[in-house]
Amino acid sequence: EVQLVESGGGLVQPGGSLRLSCAASGFTFSDHYMDWVRQAPGKGLEWVGRTRNKANSYTTEYAASVKGRFTISRDDSKNSLYLQMNSLKTEDTAVYYCASSAYGGNSAAFDIWGQGTMVTVSS
Amino acid sequence: DIQMTQSPSSLSASVGDRVTITCRASQSISSYLNWYQQKPGKAPKLLIYAASSLQSGVPSRFSGSGSGTDFTLTISSLQPEDFATYYCQQSYSTPHSTFGPGTKVDIK
Repeated sequence: EVQLVESGGGLVQPGGSLRLSCAASGFTFSDHYMDWVRQAPGKGLEWVGRTRNKANSYTTEYAASVKGRFTISRDDSKNSLYLQMNSLKTEDTAVYYCASSAYGGNSAAFDIWGQGTMVTVSS
Repeated sequence: DIQMTQSPSSLSASVGDRVTITCRASQSISSYLNWYQQKPGKAPKLLIYAASSLQSGVPSRFSGSGSGTDFTLTISSLQPEDFATYYCQQSYSTPHSTFGPGTKVDIK
């Protein structure tokens, strides 16, 4: 079964840091580009960032709203994806999903999603 | 950035109704348009990719059309399990994709 499972969410104060993890199974993780998408409470979906695969030098890209504060990494030996979030702001409060596309390459048609992990930034 | 709008923002419909949701892009995105369904507390589910291709396992009552800036998602005969929020997503500027604000479909 194709599966993504996020963990690491929680309550953090503004200015703090948090690291999210996403464990993959049921597909060849190392071949896939992996993305993070978030959803603030009661709001729509926002793409956060992407890491490409080894063949594409693990390059990363980020939304303007998180660039310079968030870092995406991956460990293909552990089939795991990470999101390091620093200098957190209240507006970063959201459910964070890891996602990927079985269509490969540069596709953003995400047909693989985790269940999400909630991050709350509040004092 | 490419901005996405959807209309209506919400609608009420009955089981068996034909439902159409519209999505518009701020610039031409060719056919780089995907549709998702999301139920409360759940992750989004891909329904349609590349504007009109039905994702595997998705019922054939769902269909998508359009190109350029204007797109539609049609549910030919609404079923009880279809009450949800629907999002369009442009993937023309991948990976910097953007989603529409959503259309909530609820029971009349």
